[in-house]
Amino acid sequence: NAGVTQTPKFQVLKTGQSMTLQCAQDMNHNSMYWYRQDPGMGLRLIYYSASEGTTDKGEVPNGYNVSRLNKREFSLRLESAAPSQTSVYFCASSEGTIQETQYFGPGTRLLVL
Amino acid sequence: QKEVEQNSGPLSVPEGAIASLNCTYSDRGSQSFFWYRQYSGKSPELIMFIYSNGDKEDGRFTAQLNKASQYVSLLIRDSQPSDSATYLCAVKDGNNRLAFGKGNQVVVIP
Repeated sequence: NAGVTQTPKFQVLKTGQSMTLQCAQDMNHNSMYWYRQDPGMGLRLIYYSASEGTTDKGEVPNGYNVSRLNKREFSLRLESAAPSQTSVYFCASSEGTIQETQYFGPGTRLLVL
Repeated sequence: QKEVEQNSGPLSVPEGAIASLNCTYSDRGSQSFFWYRQYSGKSPELIMFIYSNGDKEDGRFTAQLNKASQYVSLLIRDSQPSDSATYLCAVKDGNNRLAFGKGNQVVVIP
């Protein structure tokens, strides 16, 4: 049981390049989330998907787009990367009820030059 | 903006002592509260959750919730070097979204 997986683990981009971060979960969870974590800033929600077919903006959505491809997969796309998007990105999933927890993937470390 | 505040750190404790971490939150309607542990370079992992006022114990960890005062705390008893990590407080809103504090670094000194 892999839980939440993310690809790639590391990525270096030049300013203006685009890329897609992939996330998949095998726990049959309804809800999925994308966070970024920056030093001194904690985890901030970028986008989330409460259920298959729905997506909503979080705290810091600018510069990102997401796709909930199916129940298992939730991707995050940077259309034109900027140095301010240098961060560690975590995907998470949960059953989607109010009283339960989120499970995190291992993270993607992104450097934008 | 719903806020979750944690004490500035790091917190250094001798091995075997009690580490105490505090967290306050702004959204009075919050119902679910979580403590995550994050080792350097790793992803957050859940260690405790609490929904009701009072104390909840799980091994060496105790979470305490006071909704009237809008704070949640975590006690780590008999601290071990393996407890050295950053501890994240998280509060869930009515839309099932977690708001995280910035974290407290704990260093257990052998």
